[in-house]
Amino acid sequence: NAGVMQNPRHLVRRRGQEARLRCSPMKGHSHVYWYRQLPEEGLKFMVYLQKENIIDESGMPKERFSAEFPKEGPSILRIQQVVRGDSAAYFCASSPDQTQYFGPGTRLLVL
Amino acid sequence: KQEVTQIPAALSVPEGENLVLNCSFTDSAIYNLQWFRQDPGKGLTSLLLIQSSQREQTSGRLNASLDKSSGRSTLYIAASQPGDSATYLCAGATQGGSEKLVFGKGTKLTVNP
Repeated sequence: NAGVMQNPRHLVRRRGQEARLRCSPMKGHSHVYWYRQLPEEGLKFMVYLQKENIIDESGMPKERFSAEFPKEGPSILRIQQVVRGDSAAYFCASSPDQTQYFGPGTRLLVL
Repeated sequence: KQEVTQIPAALSVPEGENLVLNCSFTDSAIYNLQWFRQDPGKGLTSLLLIQSSQREQTSGRLNASLDKSSGRSTLYIAASQPGDSATYLCAGATQGGSEKLVFGKGTKLTVNP
């Protein structure tokens, strides 16, 4: 059973471009969480999804950020019109119950 | 609102030493508490999960305790090794349904050979 997969591992974007981050949960896991780790900061919760549903998006910025977890395919975190402050490591976790299993993260750098 | 604090921010010890990492949380209505390890540039590895009804969990040289009344958890590492060098993160899930984790900023551990 492969672990949580995230791609790309590194992503460079210029200000104003769009960033798409993908997360494939572990087989059999129907819960997906996204977290962001800013430089020198702890991980902060962004959004919690189940298949085709957003359960909790209380940590998601109101503008430019969106997330989905379709019936088929990976979960996508989309950041529109990126700014330098979006530079961070974005981690996805999946869970069958309470234990969350984390992917290796996508490190986004906005130039 | 749950807040998680980890002290110290960094710790350096000689190989073989037993050590304790501390974690405190503000909301005693904690659903569970997890300890993770993060290596530089890597993702998180789950070490131990303690349910709110439990007092401690053990895995190999690691032992984690949970005291809800005092809002504290500790991670005890026995006979530390250089391979234990990493950042250790504590995270609490508060009752409410989404089980999202609230993380501390971590303790960066260096075990010197």
